[in-house]
Amino acid sequence: QSVLTQPPSASGTPGQRVTISCSGGGSNIGSNTVNWYQHLPGTAPRLLIYRDDERPSGVPDRFSGSKSGTSASLAISGLQSEDEADYYCAAWDDSLSARVFGTGTKVAVL
Amino acid sequence: QVQLVQSGTEVKKPGSSVKVSCKPSGGSFNYDAISWVRQAPGQGLEWMGGIIPLYNTAHYAHKLQGRVTITTDVSRSTAYMEIRSLTSEDTAVYYCARDAYGGNTGGYYYYAMDVWGQGTTVTVSS
Repeated sequence: QSVLTQPPSASGTPGQRVTISCSGGGSNIGSNTVNWYQHLPGTAPRLLIYRDDERPSGVPDRFSGSKSGTSASLAISGLQSEDEADYYCAAWDDSLSARVFGTGTKVAVL
Repeated sequence: QVQLVQSGTEVKKPGSSVKVSCKPSGGSFNYDAISWVRQAPGQGLEWMGGIIPLYNTAHYAHKLQGRVTITTDVSRSTAYMEIRSLTSEDTAVYYCARDAYGGNTGGYYYYAMDVWGQGTTVTVSS
């Protein structure tokens, strides 16, 4: 059972902006930084965002992260067909002394 | 760019153990941590645990504590993840990943898996 809650799906047409939420609690998102990962079936996950809103080199600036209190969000602007994937948030949980993942959100490009 | 190379596909019987390896190509772990993540069929990502080779300190997901052991062999620059008492619920793709870590008054924490192995499929079946 995941500690971080995400909507199961999100969708948009090419060029639109899609936002994915990640809801947690005081011991995880409220106390630690959030990462976001993109996962396409059959491939390894890819780090999109770390430390709430920082992008690793090579990640397009269409992807952006934000955090407020015990919730975080990932925004994808200028949606492209190759953005169709599963997206997961993650954070360290101080109570569990473990990393926790979100439930995952499947993004569809219509 | 460092890459992580994992060992190959495994098919195991229920009750047995499996040990998966992870080795950085052309280098060592340096000062990074290594985490293990798995994805069972139709399920999401699950963090299993991680290790900080510099301090030989491992951390585990509560659900798997006591059944999983994560180690490193510094001389071989290789990380290992072993699961014992396998059941069908352990059927999954297993990934290792280079992880960033920090320290605070509560101990160590991990916060960014930026380089991933190619994944190892483990099937548990009688």
